[in-house]
Amino acid sequence: KQEVTQIPAALSVPEGENLVLNCSFTDSAIYNLQWFRQDPGKGLTSLLLIQSSQREQTSGRLNASLDKSSGRSTLYIAASQPGDSATYLCAVEGAQKLVFGQGTRLTINP
Amino acid sequence: DAGVIQSPRHEVTEMGQEVTLRCKPISGHNSLFWYRQTMMRGLELLIYFNNNVPIDDSGMPEDRFSAKMPNASFSTLKIQPSEPRDSAVYFCASSFSGLLNEQFFGPGTRLTVL
Repeated sequence: KQEVTQIPAALSVPEGENLVLNCSFTDSAIYNLQWFRQDPGKGLTSLLLIQSSQREQTSGRLNASLDKSSGRSTLYIAASQPGDSATYLCAVEGAQKLVFGQGTRLTINP
Repeated sequence: DAGVIQSPRHEVTEMGQEVTLRCKPISGHNSLFWYRQTMMRGLELLIYFNNNVPIDDSGMPEDRFSAKMPNASFSTLKIQPSEPRDSAVYFCASSFSGLLNEQFFGPGTRLTVL
């Protein structure tokens, strides 16, 4: 059974810092991995999707990497801003299911 | 496009009552997903449809839960009878061609069963 773990559960950093969020998964037989952002009381917004054949994807200040063999992904956020404060979830797809981690609650302090 | 639309946004009901949650996927998307999010269990897939046909309902917790997709633009998730442990946020998402593509989520329905 696929299990997805995100560490840390919560992170608080000053504005302007670069930061890394971590995601690990137990079954490397995945089709893709997605990073989502969830604001309080809102739905999920897809940030990046990495196909299993890819190693990274970039969008603006966000860069996500995927290492299938080690079962790990990282989301790098450059020059963090208060508007980046949200919960970030990673999800892996395999066997017709999207399995989510519990998320990292990120707070960027002005 | 308005994105995925869910109604109601909030629902408070009493134990034993029937609850119906509604979802309108993004036009042109042919896959629809129902998820449940709780503090304890995080986000879990309940059921997903492809071209209006249920493909995987293994995440549906009990027979009290049922989902339908009568056409490409509408789906319902019904709980009958509802119980306090069903309290959660229920999300609907849609995508084009199933799980291999980016999913777009609705704003969710916050359900409270007293």
